[in-house]
Amino acid sequence: GNSVTQMEGPVTLSEEAFLTINCTYTATGYPSLFWYVQYPGEGLQLLLKATKADDKGSNKGFEATYRKETTSFHLEKGSVQVSDSAVYFCALSDRGTSGSRLTFGEGTQLTVNP
Amino acid sequence: DAGVTQSPTHLIKTRGQHVTLRCSPISGHKSVSWYQQVLGQGPQFIFQYYEKEERGRGNFPDRFSARQFPNYSSELNVNALLLGDSALYLCASRPSGGLDYGYTFGSGTRLTVV
Repeated sequence: GNSVTQMEGPVTLSEEAFLTINCTYTATGYPSLFWYVQYPGEGLQLLLKATKADDKGSNKGFEATYRKETTSFHLEKGSVQVSDSAVYFCALSDRGTSGSRLTFGEGTQLTVNP
Repeated sequence: DAGVTQSPTHLIKTRGQHVTLRCSPISGHKSVSWYQQVLGQGPQFIFQYYEKEERGRGNFPDRFSARQFPNYSSELNVNALLLGDSALYLCASRPSGGLDYGYTFGSGTRLTVV
């Protein structure tokens, strides 16, 4: 079955530091890949997505590239802010005939200190 | 435009009771999915509905059921509640026409079973 593995957290950084959150996946076929962010007490917000190999998703300074050869979709940001503190989820969407569904990783808690 | 709306926002139930959670998708979105997020974990897929038909079901017991109405809103029902059903229940909608648009999530219903 499909699965998503994220780097273990929590991750604590100082403001303006470089961020990488690793994500690898296992899937049959050619899934679409997503990063979602969850702020405390809220639902999930779509951060960025990529639908085919070598696509780069980007939003609000965050980037991730769909790497089919390494089955990875690592999230990066060059300079984090305190407001980026949240839980980040990597997810894939299958294209099976039984209906579309998202498979999520366990999430990575990011804390950015001033 | 209104996003995905869920009601109620919080709910406390006793073991053995029944609960109904409600979701209104974004206008024009015909696909609705339900996810369970236990504290500290990634969301787990429960159901997907499209055009009032069930298109996918996750690995949840028969105590969980759902339906979609002609206006594309949806209900998730859980019977014979267990303590382990305590979680954040998330509803997501997406437009028809493919998997590439991503999913928009509501803020969720926090269910506590005591």
